[in-house]
Amino acid sequence: GNSVTQMEGPVTLSEEAFLTINCTYTATGYPSLFWYVQYPGEGLQLLLKATKADDKGSNKGFEATYRKETTSFHLEKGSVQVSDSAVYFCALSDRTGANNLFFGTGTRLTVIP
Amino acid sequence: DVKVTQSSRYLVKRTGEKVFLECVQDMDHENMFWYRQDPGLGLRLIYFSYDVKMKEKGDIPEGYSVSREKKERFSLILESASTNQTSMYLCASSLPLTGRPYEQYFGPGTRLTVT
Repeated sequence: GNSVTQMEGPVTLSEEAFLTINCTYTATGYPSLFWYVQYPGEGLQLLLKATKADDKGSNKGFEATYRKETTSFHLEKGSVQVSDSAVYFCALSDRTGANNLFFGTGTRLTVIP
Repeated sequence: DVKVTQSSRYLVKRTGEKVFLECVQDMDHENMFWYRQDPGLGLRLIYFSYDVKMKEKGDIPEGYSVSREKKERFSLILESASTNQTSMYLCASSLPLTGRPYEQYFGPGTRLTVT
C-alpha cells in the first residue's frame, strides 16, 4: 500500500539555522511526491513537488530531491526565518484513481529569533 | 489564482445535530476532496468526488456523507454529529489525473467542535 512517514516534531530552530525534515515513503509503482505547508490558521498550500526519480523540487529557498533508491524526499532549507514557522506535510500521489494524496502526520517547525 | 472557500472557519454544534460543511471552488476542477486533520494523525481522506453526482469513499467515511450537485460545490454532511467528530475539516480540489498528478488546492479549513 501507500504510506508516508515523516519525522516527528516539534522542531525548534534559531533563525538562520539549517533545516532538514525527513520523509520516507512506501508506494506501488512510481509516485509523485509533494511537500505542503500549513501556516497558522490557514489551509495547506503546495510548497514544492517532484514527479520522477532524481527530480529536485524547490521553492522559497526550500529544496527536496526524489530519491528512489532510499524512498526518501527530505525537505531542506539552508537558513530558516521566523516566517517559516508552520506545519510541513510530506505527501505522495500514486498516480491512480482521482489523484488522491497520501499524507504524513506533519512536522511542526518553530523558528525563534 | 485558484480559490477554495469553506462556509465557516469555526462551528460549534451539539451532539445529534445534522451538520453541513460547504466547499466551493472557482477553477472548474473536476476533483474535490474532504479531509479531516487531527494532531498526530495528519490528514485523512473522508470522501472524494471526481464528477458531479459522483462520490467515492476515502479512508474514514463512517458517520459522514457528501453531496455534489454542481461542479463547483462539494458538501460534507454529518448526519448525527458526535463528539469524536470534533476536528479540523479541510476541503480541496484538483484537476483530474491525466498522466500527471496535479496539485490539490486547499480551503482554509473549518474547525468543528461538537459538544
